[in-house]
Amino acid sequence: DQQVKQNSPSLSVQEGRISILNCDYTNSMFDYFLWYKKYPAEGPTFLISISSIKDKNEDGRFTVFLNKSAKHLSLHIVPSQPGDSAVYFCAACDGGSQGNLIFGKGTKLSVKP
Amino acid sequence: NAGVMQNPRHLVRRRGQEARLRCSPVKGHSHVYWYRQLPEEGLKFMVYLQKENIIDESGMPKERFSAEFPKEGPSILRIQQVVRGDSAAYFCASSAGAPSGYTFGSGTRLTVV
Repeated sequence: DQQVKQNSPSLSVQEGRISILNCDYTNSMFDYFLWYKKYPAEGPTFLISISSIKDKNEDGRFTVFLNKSAKHLSLHIVPSQPGDSAVYFCAACDGGSQGNLIFGKGTKLSVKP
Repeated sequence: NAGVMQNPRHLVRRRGQEARLRCSPVKGHSHVYWYRQLPEEGLKFMVYLQKENIIDESGMPKERFSAEFPKEGPSILRIQQVVRGDSAAYFCASSAGAPSGYTFGSGTRLTVV
């Protein structure tokens, strides 16, 4: 039973355009959400996070939106660059529990020049 | 300040042998997490440890798998009598306690032949 779902295994976007990666979750106890980026043969690296008390967090070209009622979050990358091509994992945790992150299966983003 | 160090990067074992995966957390981090990524899958939580204690091992198979994080030295994930289905990338992460401080290592790719 997947608690964090990324329903699009892949996404292809033209350089300069917006990339939108989506994530849905089922556990209403989740109150902290993160996005990680992963290149082949490397470990995931932290990108951006959002607490459930917010609905938006922005860091440069990256913005994460949280819709608690829909149990949905999205990562927007604008403008997209070829170096953004990677697998993006959505993760969530229940801050009141042990703190281990639950990950989605990832979305492979390809940004074409 | 080195990041999370995992070794070996690649490990090949024959069926029935033992695999030992090592993880040295970021200096000062006392929380260690092990994740497994099977081909075409996301990151699956296995176990969460603090120094000398297993906090949550709900994601770890009950048999053949064990983990430790001794007072001195790295965390060890041990897989006894490996089978082909154990072939995966195993990632270790460490934190000082906050999810946003989760730092991943580059992983150990285990291949069982």
